[in-house]
Amino acid sequence: QSALTQPRSVSGSPGQSVTISCTGTSSDVGRYNYVSWYQQHPGRAPKVIIYDVTKRPSGLPDRFSGSKSANTASLTISGLQAEDEADYYCCSFAGNYTWVFGGGTKLTVL
Amino acid sequence: QVQLVQSGAEMKRPGASVKVSCKASGYTFTNYYMYWVRQAPGQGLEWMGIINPSGGGTNYAQKFQGRVTMTRDTSTSTVFMELRSLRSDDTAVYFCARGEDYDFRNWGQGTLVTVSS
Repeated sequence: QSALTQPRSVSGSPGQSVTISCTGTSSDVGRYNYVSWYQQHPGRAPKVIIYDVTKRPSGLPDRFSGSKSANTASLTISGLQAEDEADYYCCSFAGNYTWVFGGGTKLTVL
Repeated sequence: QVQLVQSGAEMKRPGASVKVSCKASGYTFTNYYMYWVRQAPGQGLEWMGIINPSGGGTNYAQKFQGRVTMTRDTSTSTVFMELRSLRSDDTAVYFCARGEDYDFRNWGQGTLVTVSS
């Protein structure tokens, strides 16, 4: 199973918005509405920020939003803040109790 | 609150096996699937497999089939991941994660496994 495709890096200035894409296939992202996104700061465990394509865990700011079109899911972070600088990973259910991650995107807040 | 506490760092020789534990608390252990995910140094996340703590059923990523075994002990609310025939490219941080529907909602702190001769 091939990893989902994410850009290696994105950047933005404080207050701006950035979007991270996550491209899979018709067997994973395109077939199931079970895409999740994880934020990981250096040396820390990942933290879920979006699940089921668009849902946010309770307590997470609405600056984080998710969407999907065909085989590509997207994470948008609006009103960028310094603490958003981290690595971001998408993940999709791929059927038959299997999951696949994206390669990860490093977000730099300029 | 949900807590997943993993065992400590391990150093192994190539060809050896390692068994990492993950003790859960703060919820009903048998009600939620548990997953294992690993991350090689400077690399991304890699899904390894899933275990159903209720019945013990498992499913592993194709890459690890034949080399990994995931088990659980309901009396101690602990899941285990054993990886055999270790190679240098198995050097990674191994995470357990509690599933909620189709995502990984809570994570352990990670266990560094170093494989070196």
